[in-house]
Amino acid sequence: KAGVTQTPRYLIKTRGQQVTLSCSPISGHRSVSWYQQTPGQGLQFLFEYFSETQRNKGNFPGRFSGRQFSNSRSEMNVSTLELGDSALYLCASSLVSGGPLGEQFFGPGTRLTVL
Amino acid sequence: EDQVTQSPEALRLQEGESSSLNCSYTVSGLRGLFWYRQDPGKGPEFLFTLYSAGEEKEKERLKATLTKKESFLHITAPKPEDSATYLCAGTGTALIFGKGTTLSVSS
Repeated sequence: KAGVTQTPRYLIKTRGQQVTLSCSPISGHRSVSWYQQTPGQGLQFLFEYFSETQRNKGNFPGRFSGRQFSNSRSEMNVSTLELGDSALYLCASSLVSGGPLGEQFFGPGTRLTVL
Repeated sequence: EDQVTQSPEALRLQEGESSSLNCSYTVSGLRGLFWYRQDPGKGPEFLFTLYSAGEEKEKERLKATLTKKESFLHITAPKPEDSATYLCAGTGTALIFGKGTTLSVSS
């Protein structure tokens, strides 16, 4: 069974630009969550999508947005990039929604560097 | 505010030297406590889910336990391949992660 895939794996952008990251969940999983991981803050929840609807949102500014398509693939967009947005962005999929009762399966992440 | 705190931040062990990692949590309406392992450059890998105080789960050299306020990950006779960052997370409406314990096991 294929795991969670994320593209691209590495990305370098400059301040002020915008970026779109993509995530394909495990086949059959309808919940996709996004996380930001930095050395200082650790893993922080961004948002969760289930059946194309945002179910939950973390404490991040509106520059961070996402969407989910009918095939459960998800994209995350960050507009007006800031230096502090440099991080590993992780996507995780699970069968259930709303704070998982089951385990989440993580992708390898997209390493975003903002210069 | 929901919070998950892990200690120690880093732990160095000799091969075969057993120890425990701690995860204390204050998560409203906790629905599950999760342990993950993360290797450098990779996403977290699921290890265990614990749902109620007193529950224990084992996998190879790892055993996770849960009380009403904290969880422990016991590592028995660790090997160098157990070196990784171990993350604890509590779930209420979203998954709240601790900052992890980085374990180094030397032979």
